[in-house]
Amino acid sequence: EVQLVESGGGLVQPGGSLRLSCAASGFTFSSYWMHWVRQAPGKGLVWVSRINSDGSSTSYADSVKGRFTISRDNAKNTLYLQMNSLRAEDTAVYYCAREVVATIFQPVDYWGQGTLVTVSS
Amino acid sequence: DIQMTQSPSSLSASVGDRVTITCRASQSISSYLNWYQQKPGKAPKLLIYAASSLQSGVPSRFSGSGSGTDFTLTISSLQPEDFATYYCQQSYSTITFGPGTKVDIK
Repeated sequence: EVQLVESGGGLVQPGGSLRLSCAASGFTFSSYWMHWVRQAPGKGLVWVSRINSDGSSTSYADSVKGRFTISRDNAKNTLYLQMNSLRAEDTAVYYCAREVVATIFQPVDYWGQGTLVTVSS
Repeated sequence: DIQMTQSPSSLSASVGDRVTITCRASQSISSYLNWYQQKPGKAPKLLIYAASSLQSGVPSRFSGSGSGTDFTLTISSLQPEDFATYYCQQSYSTITFGPGTKVDIK
């Protein structure tokens, strides 16, 4: 069974940092591109970042570029999101998600349960 | 970035109704369009990818169509478990989601 379990969320002050982790199991993690998607309370989905299967290629939404860094450790089956210079508008549930393999259309077929990040003083 | 719009933003429907949701891109995205369903407090679920391909395990009452800038998600006969919010997502360039369409009970 495919499982994605996020951790690392919590309350952080504006300007602070946080690192999210996503532990993957039930599939060959090193074969899949992975994403982070966030959702502010009561709002819609916002794509954050994507990383290829070996970690050599990444992309970011403009709103987080230069502040967030996606990475992965295939030996540990874990995806990360390092978030720096956090702002109130970064407050959201952060989901890690797996991209469907062997398609150019980048759909995401499995999602974690999400971890809440709250940026507030 | 490519902007995505959805209409309507919400709709009320009854079990058995045919429901159509429209998604429009600010520029042509070919068939780089995916649809998701999200229920309150839950992670999204992939329904349709590449505009019209049904994800494995998704009931056949869901269908997608369109290409270029205009797309539709159709539920042929609404079931109780289909009351949810639906999002389109483009992956032609930097990924963006539509604002969502909430389907609730009439």
